Amino acid sequence: DGGITQSPKYLFRKEGQNVTLSCEQNLNHDAMYWYRQDPGQGLRLIYYSQIVNDFQKGDIAEGYSVSREKKESFPLTVTSAQKNPTAFYLCASSTLRQGSYEQYFGPGTRLTVT
Amino acid sequence: RKEVEQDPGPFNVPEGATVAFNCTYSNSASQSFFWYRQDCRKEPKLLMSVYSSGNEDGRFTAQLNRASQYISLLIRDSKLSDSATYLCVVFPSGNTGKLIFGQGTTLQVKP
Repeated sequence: DGGITQSPKYLFRKEGQNVTLSCEQNLNHDAMYWYRQDPGQGLRLIYYSQIVNDFQKGDIAEGYSVSREKKESFPLTVTSAQKNPTAFYLCASSTLRQGSYEQYFGPGTRLTVT
Repeated sequence: RKEVEQDPGPFNVPEGATVAFNCTYSNSASQSFFWYRQDCRKEPKLLMSVYSSGNEDGRFTAQLNRASQYISLLIRDSKLSDSATYLCVVFPSGNTGKLIFGQGTTLQVKP
């Protein structure tokens, strides 16, 4: 089955620790995205990547880092510099073919930092 | 002004009712438009794309009005399973693929 997987589903960490969230897709999509969603809020873009070995900051990149070493994988690291890391993190991908800009989401990782 | 605005609701309707959601966007050069559905504590899922001529998928009808910069979603014969948050999403322009998400409209269908 083609799709996007994120792991783990739930993650608990202590303040001051870095944590890496996994995102893998087998849809052969060029672009991948990381969003954050807080309770009752919309999605906010953290980072995105259109091609391997390249990525750009989104609207709220501070305290986060990413890498794109393979087309299928786009891991997100939440660093200790992120002031309010507890949130629902969603990874998405898209083909970016002309006229086809819809994004498809993974099931998300719910991160709790105490 | 937000780039994409939606009435957050909640919209509480009885089963079988017809309900409509509107969404406005600020960038007149926006190219593509979508409605996503998000169930509680789940990921958003693409419901339908919105085309200039309007499009229908079963009980769902989406319309785009470029002149007034709004998008609508009409749900006929509401089912209990339609209860969810509906996200209006706009692709403004360019080639980054960045989408702009509205905050969502919550629908609760009651028996």
